[in-house]
Amino acid sequence: DAGITQSPRYKITETGRQVTLMCHQTWSHSYMFWYRQDLGHGLRLIYYSAAADITDKGEVPDGYVVSRSKTENFPLTLESATRSQTSVYFCASSEGLNTEAFFGQGTRLTVV
Amino acid sequence: GEDVEQSLFLSVREGDSSVINCTYTDSSSTYLYWYKQEPGAGLQLLTYIFSNMDMKQDQRLTVLLNKKDKHLSLRIADTQTGDSAIYFCAESKGWNNDMRFGAGTRLTVKP
Repeated sequence: DAGITQSPRYKITETGRQVTLMCHQTWSHSYMFWYRQDLGHGLRLIYYSAAADITDKGEVPDGYVVSRSKTENFPLTLESATRSQTSVYFCASSEGLNTEAFFGQGTRLTVV
Repeated sequence: GEDVEQSLFLSVREGDSSVINCTYTDSSSTYLYWYKQEPGAGLQLLTYIFSNMDMKQDQRLTVLLNKKDKHLSLRIADTQTGDSAIYFCAESKGWNNDMRFGAGTRLTVKP
């Protein structure tokens, strides 16, 4: 399917486990972003990537790792999940810095 | 850090106008956005405004910007039940660059 897709849609994991959230886009957009959405905070930028192999920190990067070996994929890894990382995670992509950002449907992650 | 604030809830009757307000603190914001999030879906860009504009109209949507007061509003005319969603205000210095979002306003439209 064309567009931007995230997987899984829902995930429950235990504290201390590593978990990876996947994001895939079919437009060959250069820019990709990961946000987390928490009640009362709106969306906060975790990491973003301007191109394959180029990533940079956003507002709340601690506890997260990203990679971008291929343009179309931008996985987000929680190396050792904590309860404070329970959130809804949104991936987005855009062609450039002057074009619209398109968002995925979100991944609801619960850390127990 | 810089903040973007919105009221959390708004309820209107079908056919009325809805006005969703947003305030921000970063005076160097260049782009201001309104996103819509429907249940179970991602965010969809509704409209945006450059900081050198004070109004933008797009069909039923009117965006007003008071740069002096750092106040942004989204007016939806003739609100329909399909407009029920969460509306996020966001700002950035560069387009799509380090966007900062408000907490979202949940709009409920009653028949």
